[in-house]
Amino acid sequence: DAKTTQPPSMDCAEGRAANLPCNHSTISGNEYVYWYRQIHSQGPQYIIHGLKNNETNEMASLIITEDRKSSTLILPHATLRDTAVYYCIASANAGNNRKLIWGLGTSLAVNP
Amino acid sequence: DGGITQSPKYLFRKEGQNVTLSCEQNLNHDAMYWYRQDPGQGLRLIYYSQIVNDFQKGDIAEGYSVSREKKESFPLTVTSAQKNPTAFYLCASRDPAGSHYEQYFGPGTRLTVT
Repeated sequence: DAKTTQPPSMDCAEGRAANLPCNHSTISGNEYVYWYRQIHSQGPQYIIHGLKNNETNEMASLIITEDRKSSTLILPHATLRDTAVYYCIASANAGNNRKLIWGLGTSLAVNP
Repeated sequence: DGGITQSPKYLFRKEGQNVTLSCEQNLNHDAMYWYRQDPGQGLRLIYYSQIVNDFQKGDIAEGYSVSREKKESFPLTVTSAQKNPTAFYLCASRDPAGSHYEQYFGPGTRLTVT
C-alpha cells in the first residue's frame, strides 16, 4: 500500500470550507484513496473513497489530481462537530487480506 | 439499529492479569478486526478474521489472543505477556463482498493496566 502524507494539524472557521490535503505520490493504479475521521475517544468513521474521479456524498467531496499523486478532502461548510482527526489511506480494493495502513492523520480544529 | 458494540467502555486491571474485551456486531459482516491505538498515534492491527473459526495475526499480535466461534462475536484477550497493554482498543467489521474497503468501528474500550 502506498504511503500517505498529511499535515499534522489544520484550523478552519465554522461555516467555511475545510480543505484537507493528502499526498500519495507512490500510489499504484489499483489503489483507492480512503478517508476516515475519528472524533476524540470514538471509533473512526468512514467518510468517502475514490479511485480516479472526484467523488461527493452527503458528508464531503474528494478531489483527486489527474496524476493521482495527491487528493483533497473538502468539508463544504465545517461545523464544530467536524473537529476530529482525519485519516487519508491508500489501499488496493482486492482480496480479503487487504489491510488499511493508518498514519497519524490531520487534526482539524473547527473554531467558532 | 445495526452496529458494533464493545464493552466495557473503560476497563481497569492489575498487571499480570489476563483480560478479555468484548466485540459484537449485528451487521452480518464476515470480516472483523481488532486495532490498538496509543495516544497521538494511528491505529495498529492486532488480529483479523475473515470468516468464522479462522483468524490471522496482524502487525502487533504478540501478547494477544482471539477467537471467532460465532460470526457476530470476536473477543480479544490481552494476556499478561503483553508488555504495554494500556491503550485504546477498537473493534471493526467489514463486508468483504462490499465494493469498497469500508470498515465499521465500535466505540472502543480504554484499557488501563496498573
